[in-house]
Amino acid sequence: AQSVSQHNHHVILSEAASLELGCNYSYGGTVNLFWYVQYPGQHLQLLLKYFSGDPLVKGIKGFEAEFIKSKFSFNLRKPSVQWSDTAEYFCAVTAGRTGFQKLVFGTGTRLLVSP
Amino acid sequence: EPEVTQTPSHQVTQMGQEVILRCVPISNHLYFYWYRQILGQKVEFLVSFYNNEISEKSEIFDDQFSVERPDGSNFTLKIRSTKLEDSAMYFCASTLAESDTQYFGPGTRLTVL
Repeated sequence: AQSVSQHNHHVILSEAASLELGCNYSYGGTVNLFWYVQYPGQHLQLLLKYFSGDPLVKGIKGFEAEFIKSKFSFNLRKPSVQWSDTAEYFCAVTAGRTGFQKLVFGTGTRLLVSP
Repeated sequence: EPEVTQTPSHQVTQMGQEVILRCVPISNHLYFYWYRQILGQKVEFLVSFYNNEISEKSEIFDDQFSVERPDGSNFTLKIRSTKLEDSAMYFCASTLAESDTQYFGPGTRLTVL
């Protein structure tokens, strides 16, 4: 069965600091990879996704993620965080090219950006 | 931009009572999902639904759970006899195509006393 690991449960950064959140998955076949964000009091929103092609994926709000197949990783990055990036970030994976794509989530990383 | 909506935002119930959580998926979407997140734990898949039938369900989704699409817009999750451990945030999601991005609703926080 697929699983997703997020290494950092809580991250505290100052504004303008660079961000990298780790995500590793376990599945040997074809995967689709996602980062979702949940701002305080709001619902899960898609930040970015990787299905195929360029392993460096750019998402909304200046976020990007790199799929490294050999490392089973899909780390999220942002060069300069803002206070408004304070949220919980979830890495998720679906497996296979056909069939119903249930998402398997990591435990999430709470990011606090101090002004 | 179209959104998935869920009602109620918060439901408090007594153990053993039935609850129905409601979702209105994005109007042209065809695939529907329920997930839940127990406080402090990861978001977990419960069930997927397409063409008026369950396509996949997790071990969590036992006989106490059921889903229904009673009309062209609503997608409901029913828990027949709630237990304390059913307390969680329940998220509905929908997609247009089976391998497409899932769009989530804001969730219903269920508290079982």
